[in-house]
Amino acid sequence: DTGVSQDPRHKITKRGQNVTFRCDPISEHNRLYWYRQTLGQGPEFLTYFQNEAQLEKSRLLSDRFSAERPKGSFSTLEIQRTEQGDSAMYLCASSFPNEKLFFGSGTQLSVL
Amino acid sequence: AQSVTQPDIHITVSEGASLELRCNYSYGATPYLFWYVQSPGQGLQLLLKYFSGDTLVQGIKGFEAEFKRSQSSFNLRKPSVHWSDAAEYFCAVAIIQGAQKLVFGQGTRLTINP
Repeated sequence: DTGVSQDPRHKITKRGQNVTFRCDPISEHNRLYWYRQTLGQGPEFLTYFQNEAQLEKSRLLSDRFSAERPKGSFSTLEIQRTEQGDSAMYLCASSFPNEKLFFGSGTQLSVL
Repeated sequence: AQSVTQPDIHITVSEGASLELRCNYSYGATPYLFWYVQSPGQGLQLLLKYFSGDTLVQGIKGFEAEFKRSQSSFNLRKPSVHWSDAAEYFCAVAIIQGAQKLVFGQGTRLTINP
């Protein structure tokens, strides 16, 4: 499978716990994006990387959220001290510059 | 601020009937517009995009969309729907070329009656 992979597909956690998601983009793509989608809404932009550099972060990305792409390949998104409002689908996408985005199937987070 | 409105949360059509999904955008400059489809358990798939040129854009799976600047609209159409078209459809506008930052509408859920 040469598409965008996200792991895990589902994550259930208790409020206050930390969680980490992983995204493996299409290997040749140097841009990687994170979006968040809540029930009944369209995805919302969180952040994006070009290679290992994080170029933009949304105001939606509070201090409890951190994303990395250490070697310009896979990326991780960590949420510290999770809150019930963090429950959502977290989507990863990758692309070449100025080319269309390819989305992964997402990680569904449920915070109890 | 940039925004996208999809007025219809849920639409039901019969198989073989025509389809039009509405999308209105708010953006000061020339918009870069997209339609995506999302099936359960699947990632978002790009149906078509408009950057410039011909205002009638052809996409995959028999879909097309028409950009109307005067109405700030980018409606998606299909002449004859198939049961496999049942899914969630999202209209989006890119802040800058290259789709680095997409602003999505809230989506329209399409149900197909047999």
